[in-house]
Amino acid sequence: AQSVTQLGSHVSVSEGALVLLRCNYSSSVPPYLFWYVQYPNQGLQLLLKYTTGATLVKGINGFEAEFKKSETSFHLTKPSAHMSDAAEYFCAVTPNSGGYQKVTFGTGTKLQVIP
Amino acid sequence: NAGVMQNPRHLVRRRGQEARLRCSPMKGHSHVYWYRQLPEEGLKFMVYLQKENIIDESGMPKERFSAEFPKEGPSILRIQQVVRGDSAAYFCASSPIGDSYEQYFGPGTRLTVT
Repeated sequence: AQSVTQLGSHVSVSEGALVLLRCNYSSSVPPYLFWYVQYPNQGLQLLLKYTTGATLVKGINGFEAEFKKSETSFHLTKPSAHMSDAAEYFCAVTPNSGGYQKVTFGTGTKLQVIP
Repeated sequence: NAGVMQNPRHLVRRRGQEARLRCSPMKGHSHVYWYRQLPEEGLKFMVYLQKENIIDESGMPKERFSAEFPKEGPSILRIQQVVRGDSAAYFCASSPIGDSYEQYFGPGTRLTVT
């Protein structure tokens, strides 16, 4: 079984400040990890994913995340927040074990960007 | 290349009525997933379908909920005799053959039960 924990349901940052959204996972086998973004009244959009290979993953809109196996973490960062980054962000995990596996989502973190 | 389409975007039903939610996957995708999102909660998996087959319905409530993905036409999530607790956003996602972990989401249907 797998799960993800997102620390902080609400995060506020000033425009131009560092964005750090935390995600820790639990998985009995090596995981695939994802970050999705959801803007109000819209569906989820994939920001980035980690499958295998390089542990630092770059995504769209200047976001990146680093897979740290020793810490079972996959935190999302962006060096400088923009007003348009205000949205809800979901971390997700699925086992890297071949074939069909369910994707499990975290409960989300709402990012507020203060001008 | 159109993305995942869902309709209606908003649906209001009175208690006891039926709700039908439709999802057309991206072109070339034959895997469809339904999720429910309650306020202040993440997405909860409901069901995974391929054309004419239900692969995993472990997240579906045992009663009143059903899903299908016919050979032709969209996938349908059907909720019979809706109750207030069914009010939520329902999202559909699709994936290409073999890549079930990379899912593309539709805009969702927001169901309100009055």
